[in-house]
Amino acid sequence: AQTVTQSQPEMSVQEAETVTLSCTYDTSESDYYLFWYKQPPSRQMILVIRQEAYKQQNATENRFSVNFQKAAKSFSLKISDSQLGDAAMYFCAYRRGGNNNDMRFGAGTRLTVKP
Amino acid sequence: DVKVTQSSRYLVKRTGEKVFLECVQDMDHENMFWYRQDPGLGLRLIYFSYDVKMKEKGDIPEGYSVSREKKERFSLILESASTNQTSMYLCASSHMTGYRNEQFFGPGTRLTVL
Repeated sequence: AQTVTQSQPEMSVQEAETVTLSCTYDTSESDYYLFWYKQPPSRQMILVIRQEAYKQQNATENRFSVNFQKAAKSFSLKISDSQLGDAAMYFCAYRRGGNNNDMRFGAGTRLTVKP
Repeated sequence: DVKVTQSSRYLVKRTGEKVFLECVQDMDHENMFWYRQDPGLGLRLIYFSYDVKMKEKGDIPEGYSVSREKKERFSLILESASTNQTSMYLCASSHMTGYRNEQFFGPGTRLTVL
């Protein structure tokens, strides 16, 4: 079974600084997708960024980027120029390729942004 | 604007009560999911449905059942609520096909069983 590990239960960052959230996963599949979801306090979970395993180029979405190391099975999220609105729980998730519906989530990292 | 709604944000029930949690999506998604979110455990899949009247067990189906009579609506049922079912419950939906299909989440229902 695929597992997703987020080793940092909590992280903090100063406003305008950069922070990196770690995620590792375990799989024997070659076709899969990785996601970072954000869950702000008392608000809905939303997708931040996604990465297809077959793509070598790291995904970026404005201030959010990933460092995808396929051989190491690592998928970290970098948030640049952190803003107060970035404070949230962040979940790393894995899904096999094809029409598979099974998405696996890590335990989450709570990010605090200090003004 | 895509939307997944859940019937209640907060719910308090007593042990042994039958509990219904409802989820509605307006995106014509084929797939719908029920997760349970607990601190330190992330999200764990309870059940999912890929079509009307179709369902499959997730990782932790014990003590739960589901119903999907219409495409847009997916209900989670606790037949006899117990205190260890106190948790946050998240509903999600997604398209069946498409390699980029992300899951869209509802706001969650925080259930307390006394």
